[in-house]
Amino acid sequence: SQQGEEDPQALSIQEGENATMNCSYKTSINNLQWYRQNSGRGLVHLILIRSNEREKHSGRLRVTLDTSKKSSSLLITASRAADTASYFCATDGHTGGFKTIFGAGTRLFVKA
Amino acid sequence: NAGVTQTPKFQVLKTGQSMTLQCAQDMNHNSMYWYRQDPGMGLRLIYYSASEGTTDKGEVPNGYNVSRLNKREFSLRLESAAPSQTSVYFCASSPRRTVTLSGANVLTFGAGSRLTVL
Repeated sequence: SQQGEEDPQALSIQEGENATMNCSYKTSINNLQWYRQNSGRGLVHLILIRSNEREKHSGRLRVTLDTSKKSSSLLITASRAADTASYFCATDGHTGGFKTIFGAGTRLFVKA
Repeated sequence: NAGVTQTPKFQVLKTGQSMTLQCAQDMNHNSMYWYRQDPGMGLRLIYYSASEGTTDKGEVPNGYNVSRLNKREFSLRLESAAPSQTSVYFCASSPRRTVTLSGANVLTFGAGSRLTVL
């Protein structure tokens, strides 16, 4: 079963708009990561947020984490056509092991 | 730096045939992983290797075998391919070498291998 579930499954916006993607997970975590996958490519790590953090920024990315609701959101501000990709959240669980589990992803399409 | 290199990029097999997907990383990472990606399913962990000489099952190990040849290389073998194994396979690596509550298991991925089983 998937640890992380993204919502929405797909999102289409105009260039310049903000894009928000949500992730829910089932068990306690130590940290949560977001990855991007361009079409036909491997995943690339974007940003990490730890369980004791509520918000984190990196450039046009803003990630929030609500451990009480077991959810996270990824906000991309002022989106560009180059942001068109699939976005995945990933968690390691709370045991600090090796089984990093990915959600099903959100497909973002940014129209120029 | 090449990062994580997978071969082949594409492969078509007939049911019952066998094949091995190769993966190599040049980042001196300790752990390595094989995932499969199916439409609408995200990535599912097949096997991982925490260190040279060790391998462990992930979420969907049935029908696969792995071999951690050395620190750099981690191969995935399909002994008798089935249509249900049609997928895109990704190899990944990370610096993590022990179970730890500090830090995160940040993965570096290869470009993927698209396998079709007829």
